[in-house]
Amino acid sequence: QKEVEQDPGPLSVPEGAIVSLNCTYSNSAFQYFMWYRQYSRKGPELLMYTYSSGNKEDGRFTAQVDKSSKYISLFIRDSQPSDSATYLCAIDDYGGSQGNLIFGKGTKLSVKP
Amino acid sequence: ETGVTQSPTHLIKTRGQQVTLRCSSQSGHNTVSWYQQALGQGPQFIFQYYREEENGRGNFPPRFSGLQFPNYSSELNVNALELDDSALYLCASSSKRAGELFFGEGSRLTVL
Repeated sequence: QKEVEQDPGPLSVPEGAIVSLNCTYSNSAFQYFMWYRQYSRKGPELLMYTYSSGNKEDGRFTAQVDKSSKYISLFIRDSQPSDSATYLCAIDDYGGSQGNLIFGKGTKLSVKP
Repeated sequence: ETGVTQSPTHLIKTRGQQVTLRCSSQSGHNTVSWYQQALGQGPQFIFQYYREEENGRGNFPPRFSGLQFPNYSSELNVNALELDDSALYLCASSSKRAGELFFGEGSRLTVL
């Protein structure tokens, strides 16, 4: 079993839809969870960063961590065509010390106008 | 404030050759990490450098090696290239805050 599993999609939604992206992970010791966005031919950029369980909101984006089920989610409200990108979940394997990130495969999202 | 810059952006090599990829870290960042991203996959951690010393390594063979310089810029060297080394190589720099890696746009390597 891989340490982080993510459905690669692709996922296509109409503009304005609510998008739900998900990952599962295997090691219950993980504490630091991230979502990165990667546009085509670009490097990933950090979207959301969460420590332990709970929700974190930033504008149209909400990150959710459920440690009991080892499940992390990213919700995008009022999705826009500019949100079309690949979304990567990531877990910090160094206990938060800016180290080895374990990435999911990424989910490719397309938001249609 | 300049971001992370990588060079070259694209290159083509043949099997058995050697390649050096370069990275300039973001201003104020003293840690550089390298990742390999194969097509359709998430990035995979190769290694990290902190103050010119290797500070962690992923599951990559010794023919992947690196350097960090006093100005915190870095190089990734790959010897004896194999077809499976074809990928996007990403450099990321970071400061003290956990997990916040700032990535460059990558160097796309094709091995024929």
